[in-house]
Amino acid sequence: DTAVSQTPKYLVTQMGNDKSIKCEQNLGHDTMYWYKQDSKKFLKIMFSYNNKELIINETVPNRFSPKSPDKAHLNLHINSLELGDSAVYFCASSQAGVTNTQYFGPGTRLTVL
Amino acid sequence: DQQVKQNSPSLSVQEGRISILNCDYTNSMFDYFLWYKKYPAEGPTFLISISSIKDKNEDGRFTVFLNKSAKHLSLHIVPSQPGDSAVYFCAASAYNQGGKLIFGQGTELSVKP
Repeated sequence: DTAVSQTPKYLVTQMGNDKSIKCEQNLGHDTMYWYKQDSKKFLKIMFSYNNKELIINETVPNRFSPKSPDKAHLNLHINSLELGDSAVYFCASSQAGVTNTQYFGPGTRLTVL
Repeated sequence: DQQVKQNSPSLSVQEGRISILNCDYTNSMFDYFLWYKKYPAEGPTFLISISSIKDKNEDGRFTVFLNKSAKHLSLHIVPSQPGDSAVYFCAASAYNQGGKLIFGQGTELSVKP
């Protein structure tokens, strides 16, 4: 009964490839997020969706495209992968409101060779 | 421009003693603060939070203190246990920013038996 799940946990690929990371939450939340943790361990938000609508889009290259087929899923597609995309990507979810406690998935470690 | 800072990258404490983790922020619009705990190869786990209308919140061994005038918050763990050894992230959000969490860079806590 995992609350926020991500697949795959590890992803190793070559430069120039296109890959996707999937995220699902069973908490009934209406908002989902993607965060990136870089080599310096900083966690930074990339995108946020509320009820399938994009509400946050930080300064992220166009090669990154989130897709939300329903409010329980938020997938991340990355085109033309570059070495600098290597990082750990975390999905999170929350219920919109005055407080904003976000619950995180286990992360996907992406390595671009 | 780092809006949330954790100036101590690491902290070592003896089992049974108090652990105090500190966090400073610069954005006066932040109105909700959270602490997350992270083990290696796992996602951040929500620990405790505090609204800007309060100055203290307690949950078992964990207490968060907020000093708005100093733009400072701290997490106290009493008594510390070896299982508390992890990286602790401070995070902040502003109500009008779509739920975006701004994270500090983390403090690695080591509790020695």
